[in-house]
Amino acid sequence: DTGVSQDPRHKITKRGQNVTFRCDPISEHNRLYWYRQTLGQGPEFLTYFQNEAQLEKSRLLSDRFSAERPKGSFSTLEIQRTEQGDSAMYLCASSSRGGGTEAFFGQGTRLTVV
Amino acid sequence: AQKVTQAQTEISVVEKEDVTLDCVYETRDTTYYLFWYKQPPSGELVFLIRRNSFDEQNEISGRYSWNFQKSTSSFNFTITASQVVDSAVYFCALSEASYDYKLSFGAGTTVTVRA
Repeated sequence: DTGVSQDPRHKITKRGQNVTFRCDPISEHNRLYWYRQTLGQGPEFLTYFQNEAQLEKSRLLSDRFSAERPKGSFSTLEIQRTEQGDSAMYLCASSSRGGGTEAFFGQGTRLTVV
Repeated sequence: AQKVTQAQTEISVVEKEDVTLDCVYETRDTTYYLFWYKQPPSGELVFLIRRNSFDEQNEISGRYSWNFQKSTSSFNFTITASQVVDSAVYFCALSEASYDYKLSFGAGTTVTVRA
């Protein structure tokens, strides 16, 4: 399988716990993105990496959220002290470059905070 | 600020009917890119088509076609002879050249194709 893969697919956690999601992009892609999608809405941009550098963060990414992409390969998104409002689908995508190149998305991690 | 509006929330058709999805966008950039993605129940967003702002030529790709009109800031998408497997949520998205790392999505249109 050469697509974008995300793990886990589903996560249920109690409010206040920390969670971490992983994304493995398409191997030759140097750009990696995280999006968040709530029910009935389109995905919203969270953050962007070019290789290992995090170049942009949305204001949606509060200080409880942190993302990394060590060595420019896989990426992790961590949410600390989860809140019920964090319940959403977290989507990862990758692309070979910008300038209108299409991004390829993974199947997402659905987070439910109870 | 860039913005994408998909006014249709849901569309239901019978198999073999054509389906047209509307998309209206706002941007201040003169160079931008428009996309359509499909999200089946499995959750993965699947890229369908892309158009550059400097190319208004409309095309057909298999059962998909699109109508890009800069004068009305619209980028409509048509599925010809719909099939049950086309049932999904369809998203229109915009990327500006000055922020080419970010896609702004519309709220999506749920298409249900009945046998």
